[in-house]
Amino acid sequence: KAGVTQTPRYLIKTRGQQVTLSCSPISGHRSVSWYQQTPGQGLQFLFEYFSETQRNKGNFPGRFSGRQFSNSRSEMNVSTLELGDSALYLCASSLSGENYNEQFFGPGTRLTVL
Amino acid sequence: QKEVEQNSGPLSVPEGAIASLNCTYSDRVSQSFFWYRQYSGKSPELIMSIYSNGDKEDGRFTAQLNKASQYVSLLIRDSQPSDSATYLCAAPRGGYSTLTFGKGTMLLVSP
Repeated sequence: KAGVTQTPRYLIKTRGQQVTLSCSPISGHRSVSWYQQTPGQGLQFLFEYFSETQRNKGNFPGRFSGRQFSNSRSEMNVSTLELGDSALYLCASSLSGENYNEQFFGPGTRLTVL
Repeated sequence: QKEVEQNSGPLSVPEGAIASLNCTYSDRVSQSFFWYRQYSGKSPELIMSIYSNGDKEDGRFTAQLNKASQYVSLLIRDSQPSDSATYLCAAPRGGYSTLTFGKGTMLLVSP
């Protein structure tokens, strides 16, 4: 079974631009979560989607948004990029999003904001 | 704020030794715990899940959970240089699988 895929793998943007990242979960998985990883803050939760609905949201500004499609694929968008948004963005999928479900991560998208 | 705490390390062990990684958590409601391994420049890889008190063994890895003490650990037997990585402990947030992560413990296994 194919794993979680994320595109693009690397991205370089300038301040003020916007960016869209894509995630395809493991086949059959309906829950997709997004995380931001930086050296200083570690892994921080952004949001979680299940059946096209955002069920859970972390403490990030409204510039960070996402959505999920009917095939469970998900996108996240960051508008008006800031230097501090430079990070590894990780997507993880799980079967149904219950708290005992295992989450599997994609390879991540490395975003650099100049 | 529900917290998951880990020593940042690095934890240095010689090849063949047992590496012991520890994690404490603040949310008494947590029922599931997960250990991830992350190599430098890579994404986290799930290596162990544990749901009940006691030990769970999988090959060279043993996870131990003590809910009364709010403590979970990972033992790596016969440590290999390829085990050198950052190990992340995680627990679910609320009723969903979304995870709160510790900052991770860096393990260095020297030949």
